[in-house]
Amino acid sequence: QKEVEQNSGPLSVPEGAIASLNCTYSDRGSQSFFWYRQYSGKSPELIMSIYSNGDKEDGRFTAQLNKASQYVSLLIRDSQPSDSATYLCAVTGGSQGNLIFGKGTKLSVKP
Amino acid sequence: DTEVTQTPKHLVMGMTNKKSLKCEQHMGHRAMYWYKQKAKKPPELMFVYSYEKLSINESVPSRFSPECPNSSLLNLHLHALQPEDSALYLCASSQVRVTGNTIYFGEGSWLTVV
Repeated sequence: QKEVEQNSGPLSVPEGAIASLNCTYSDRGSQSFFWYRQYSGKSPELIMSIYSNGDKEDGRFTAQLNKASQYVSLLIRDSQPSDSATYLCAVTGGSQGNLIFGKGTKLSVKP
Repeated sequence: DTEVTQTPKHLVMGMTNKKSLKCEQHMGHRAMYWYKQKAKKPPELMFVYSYEKLSINESVPSRFSPECPNSSLLNLHLHALQPEDSALYLCASSQVRVTGNTIYFGEGSWLTVV
């Protein structure tokens, strides 16, 4: 059974701090890794994708991938109250490339 | 703004009703998906269409019937649903690749079965 594990939180950080979200996956053959943000009552919104080992930066967001450790993380710098949401880690699995989701980490950024 | 459009945004239906959820994308994607999401849970895959053919059915009850009329459209026909089927139904699309297969979601259709 292919699995994606996340700490469900809630993770609470003060405004301006760095939020660190972590995810592990079980299928060593996984090729693509994604972070989605989901606000309450809304659909998931893609914020980062990463395919190779190392770091990928986009604005305040940095995704980190370590395939040897089967670990992917998301750092949010200068966290804002508007970043408060559930963050879903997702990994492509199966021949169709469909997503396997973690249960999500709820992030709360306190003003 | 998402380029995957879902209608209706909200639907209330009785257990004997027949209704449909509709999804449209114009990104040239050849894979389309239906996911179901219950409160405080991650999305669960229901169906995958690849090149307009059903490629994955995740043991979904037959009261849910998907249809892909063409490469841009995806429907989910609903019949004799149960109250526990109330959820957010998400349509998504992507290219068909082994790697780099980014999946984009629509805004979802909130379904309430009474």
